[in-house]
Amino acid sequence: AQSVTQLDSQVPVFEEAPVELRCNYSSSVSVYLFWYVQYPNQGLQLLLKYLSGSTLVKGINGFEAEFNKSQTSFHLRKPSVHISDTAEYFCAVSARTGGSYIPTFGRGTSLIVHP
Amino acid sequence: EPEVTQTPSHQVTQMGQEVILRCVPISNHLYFYWYRQILGQKVEFLVSFYNNEISEKSEIFDDQFSVERPDGSNFTLKIRSTKLEDSAMYFCASTRETGDTQYFGPGTRLTVL
Repeated sequence: AQSVTQLDSQVPVFEEAPVELRCNYSSSVSVYLFWYVQYPNQGLQLLLKYLSGSTLVKGINGFEAEFNKSQTSFHLRKPSVHISDTAEYFCAVSARTGGSYIPTFGRGTSLIVHP
Repeated sequence: EPEVTQTPSHQVTQMGQEVILRCVPISNHLYFYWYRQILGQKVEFLVSFYNNEISEKSEIFDDQFSVERPDGSNFTLKIRSTKLEDSAMYFCASTRETGDTQYFGPGTRLTVL
């Protein structure tokens, strides 16, 4: 079974500052990794994903994440945040369970961008 | 761009009543999922569905829950006798291939009184 830990429940930051949202996972098998964003009263939207290949993954809205196998991490970064980035961010790990890939989500990190 | 839709957006029901939450996945997708998110908590997997049968389910998905794909477009989640603790946001998702990106609907907020 896999698990996901998002170390920060809330990250306040000022507009135009850089931000890093941390995600660590554990799994005994190879995994796929995802970051989703949830804006208020909306569903989850994919930001980026790592399936294989380059460990640095670029996503939408200027976000990127780096897969670090030795540290079992997949931290999300953005060099300069905007007010509109205020949302809940979920890290997810997907590993094969039986015949399917079932994602396990972290508890979420609330990014709060202040003007 | 195609998207997953869910109805209703908000459902209020009395404890013990049956509810059916509806989802229309993306048309060429083959794998369908239901998730639950209790207020302030993480998104939890309930069930996955492929080829007209359940492929995986979590311990949350007990006998009170059932899923169905009654026609070529809808995917439903039924809760037979709702409990207060069933109050949550329920998300439907679909994907073309297992392991690939899951596309989520906007969710149905279920409130059990």
